[in-house]
Amino acid sequence: QQQVRQSPQSLTVWEGETAILNCSYEDSTFDYFPWYHQFPGESPALLIAIRPVSNKKEDGRFTIFFNKREKKFSLHIADSQPGDSATYFCAASAQSNYNVLYFGSGTKLTVEP
Amino acid sequence: AQTIHQWPVAEIKAVGSPLSLGCTIKGKSSPNLYWYWQATGGTLQQLFYSITVGQVESVVQLNLSASRPKDDQFILSTEKLLLSHSGFYLCAYRGREQYFGPGTRLTVL
Repeated sequence: QQQVRQSPQSLTVWEGETAILNCSYEDSTFDYFPWYHQFPGESPALLIAIRPVSNKKEDGRFTIFFNKREKKFSLHIADSQPGDSATYFCAASAQSNYNVLYFGSGTKLTVEP
Repeated sequence: AQTIHQWPVAEIKAVGSPLSLGCTIKGKSSPNLYWYWQATGGTLQQLFYSITVGQVESVVQLNLSASRPKDDQFILSTEKLLLSHSGFYLCAYRGREQYFGPGTRLTVL
């Protein structure tokens, strides 16, 4: 059973556009949602994370939107740059055990100049 | 600042041979440590976690084992490698968030 679903599998946007990556989950006890990005040949790096005391978390050009009722969260990358081209993974864990982190299947983002 | 080191950087091993991968973290006492596996082009699958020396919890069974012999060290091993063990092995630690080490790329032939 896949704990976290991610879409689309791949996404191409033009430089300057906003890229939107989506994730959903089933377990209502999940309350921690990080996003990582991974460049080819490298390990994943934490981008931004939300613990939903609020529905939105911003860090520069990166924003997480969280919808608890629909069990969905998304990453918006504003003013996308070619250097943002990477694979993005969403993840989730529950307060009952923050030591287990479930990852989505990944979105390969390509930003065309 | 915390630093996480994994060894070796890459390995090419034969099916049926043993394996030992290591992870060391410096700059953080009593870290929570994690092992992940990533198939080429795939997602991240958590394998094990450890919150203290001598204690390891399994998340998924992939014919691998893990040990925490020291506070700053986490070891992943198996006595017999399978072709399906090929991939990218990542160690991670938890501060306020979870951070990954540089990884070990394993090829099983």
